[in-house]
Amino acid sequence: QQQVKQSPQSLIVQKGGIPIINCAYENTAFDYFPWYQQFPGKGPALLIAIRPDVSEKKEGRFTISFNKSAKQFSLHIMDSQPGDSATYFCAATLSSNDYKLSFGAGTTVTVRA
Amino acid sequence: NAGVMQNPRHLVRRRGQEARLRCSPMKGHSHVYWYRQLPEEGLKFMVYLQKENIIDESGMPKERFSAEFPKEGPSILRIQQVVRGDSAAYFCASKAGGNTEAFFGQGTRLTVV
Repeated sequence: QQQVKQSPQSLIVQKGGIPIINCAYENTAFDYFPWYQQFPGKGPALLIAIRPDVSEKKEGRFTISFNKSAKQFSLHIMDSQPGDSATYFCAATLSSNDYKLSFGAGTTVTVRA
Repeated sequence: NAGVMQNPRHLVRRRGQEARLRCSPMKGHSHVYWYRQLPEEGLKFMVYLQKENIIDESGMPKERFSAEFPKEGPSILRIQQVVRGDSAAYFCASKAGGNTEAFFGQGTRLTVV
């Protein structure tokens, strides 16, 4: 069964827009929630991560919002640029075995100039 | 400092043949993980290895799949008697010990014809 559900599957925004990607998880034991960015033909690269004791985390133009009671978290890309066009994956795991990531299905973001 | 190196990048095999995928971790990394990405899906954990040891293979199919990480040389993911359903992108990631980030390779795209 898929432990992390991600939506939408794809989205298109204009330059400067704010794409928002949503994820929901089932396992309340998860305590580490990373986001990965993947460009075509490349491997996923860690973008930003959050733990459930924090409701929001910002790194540059990327912001994660976390709602522990709803078991949901989301990624916002502020002032999006064409270079942000990529596939984004949310993931979740137990920090005690952080190699065993449960990934969402991915969202392909296209930022038009 | 080269990143995680995977080869080949693309591999075509006929049904029934064997596929060998190689992963050379980053220098100084002794932990290797293999993930599989089916089309339109997120990555799914397969196996976690440290030098000469399989730590967790709970995501690996019980038949036809095996993995090793010898004392010398790359980690190998071996798929015997491939079937069309094995067609996917296979990614490995490596990390140093402890609470450090794992880095993904560019993946091997296996096509079974």
